[in-house]
Amino acid sequence: AQSVTQLDSQVPVFEEAPVELRCNYSSSVSVYLFWYVQYPNQGLQLLLKYLSGSTLVKGINGFEAEFNKSQTSFHLRKPSVHISDTAEYFCAVSGIKAAGNKLTFGGGTRVLVKP
Amino acid sequence: DTAVSQTPKYLVTQMGNDKSIKCEQNLGHDTMYWYKQDSKKFLKIMFSYNNKELIINETVPNRFSPKSPDKAHLNLHINSLELGDSAVYFCASSHNLGTEAFFGQGTRLTVV
Repeated sequence: AQSVTQLDSQVPVFEEAPVELRCNYSSSVSVYLFWYVQYPNQGLQLLLKYLSGSTLVKGINGFEAEFNKSQTSFHLRKPSVHISDTAEYFCAVSGIKAAGNKLTFGGGTRVLVKP
Repeated sequence: DTAVSQTPKYLVTQMGNDKSIKCEQNLGHDTMYWYKQDSKKFLKIMFSYNNKELIINETVPNRFSPKSPDKAHLNLHINSLELGDSAVYFCASSHNLGTEAFFGQGTRLTVV
């Protein structure tokens, strides 16, 4: 089984400042990792994913994340946020070739960008 | 074209009623899911179907019954609705189990 912990439930940040959202996971098997964004009253949209290869993954809207296997982390970063980045962000994990595999989500981090 | 569509978007109903939420995907995916998002935004998987076969059935009351008539559709029927069923329900699909999932816009269910 896999689990995901998002260490910050809310992150207030000023416009044009950098932001980092922390995500740690646990799993007994190798994993795929994902970050999703949910804008108000919307479904979830994939920001980026790590399947294999380079540990630095670039996604949409200027976001990137780094997979750190030794620290079991997959933190999300953006160097300069916009007001439009205000949303809920979810980290998710799935175990590779695990029986009954599924996407398991963290509790979410609400990002509030202030002018 | 909407990849994963679910209807209705909003559903307000009284306790004890029976209701259904429909979901369709046009991505050609083999796997479909139902997730429940509570008022604190926590997302929990309820069911997963792969090629019309039930693969994952989490600890969900048996008042909830999924039905997959074909690979492109996964509907959710709920009997005897309770106040605690109020939540946003998301349908999703993926190529295989555990890979990138594409989500619908959600159905906000309110039981009064």
